[in-house]
Amino acid sequence: EVQLVESGGGLVQPGRSLKLSCAASGFTFSNYGMHWIRQAPTKGLEWVASISPSGGSTYYRDSVKGRFTISRDNAKSTLYLQMDSLRSEDTATYYCATPFGVGHHWFAYWGQGTLVTVSS
Amino acid sequence: DVLMTQTPVSLPVSLGGQVSISCRSSQSLVHSDGNTYLHWYLQKPGQSPQLLIYRVSNRFSGVPDRFSGSGSGTDFTLKISRVEPEDLGVYYCLQSTHFPYTFGAGTKLELK
Repeated sequence: EVQLVESGGGLVQPGRSLKLSCAASGFTFSNYGMHWIRQAPTKGLEWVASISPSGGSTYYRDSVKGRFTISRDNAKSTLYLQMDSLRSEDTATYYCATPFGVGHHWFAYWGQGTLVTVSS
Repeated sequence: DVLMTQTPVSLPVSLGGQVSISCRSSQSLVHSDGNTYLHWYLQKPGQSPQLLIYRVSNRFSGVPDRFSGSGSGTDFTLKISRVEPEDLGVYYCLQSTHFPYTFGAGTKLELK
């Protein structure tokens, strides 16, 4: 059974940093691209970043480019999102997600999410 | 960015009824590889989104055949027949043909 468990969320002041983790199990992590998607309170879904299976290619939405870094440790089956220079508009529940097929680039399995609140 | 326009925003339904949700994109979702990367999700209250339909019309594992997807190019539809209580929630379309991937704003399926 595919399991994705996010952690690392919390309350952080504007301008500070936070690092999210997503522990994966139940599939061969190193074979699949991974993604972060967020959802601001009472709002819709927004894709944030993606990373290739090897970690050699990364993709970001413009609003987080230069501030967020997606990375992975295939030996630990863990996905990360380093978030720097946080802004109030980054407040959201952050989900990690994975496809169900190699080479697929949509989100089949989602974690339960971790809440990031950026506020002074 | 590709704008995904979902209608309606809210959709009242009676149990056992049939509904359709529309999703239109601001540009064609046909990828250079020939595939169309348009997908549908349901988010139930307090839960993570769950994949229903991938690549326009393919039901994900475990999704009942009451759910069906259709469309092409820029115009797509999700149909739900014989609506059951567990179908209530917010439905989103997603395009993953073009970066950045973009979602529709959502359609809330609720009881009349």
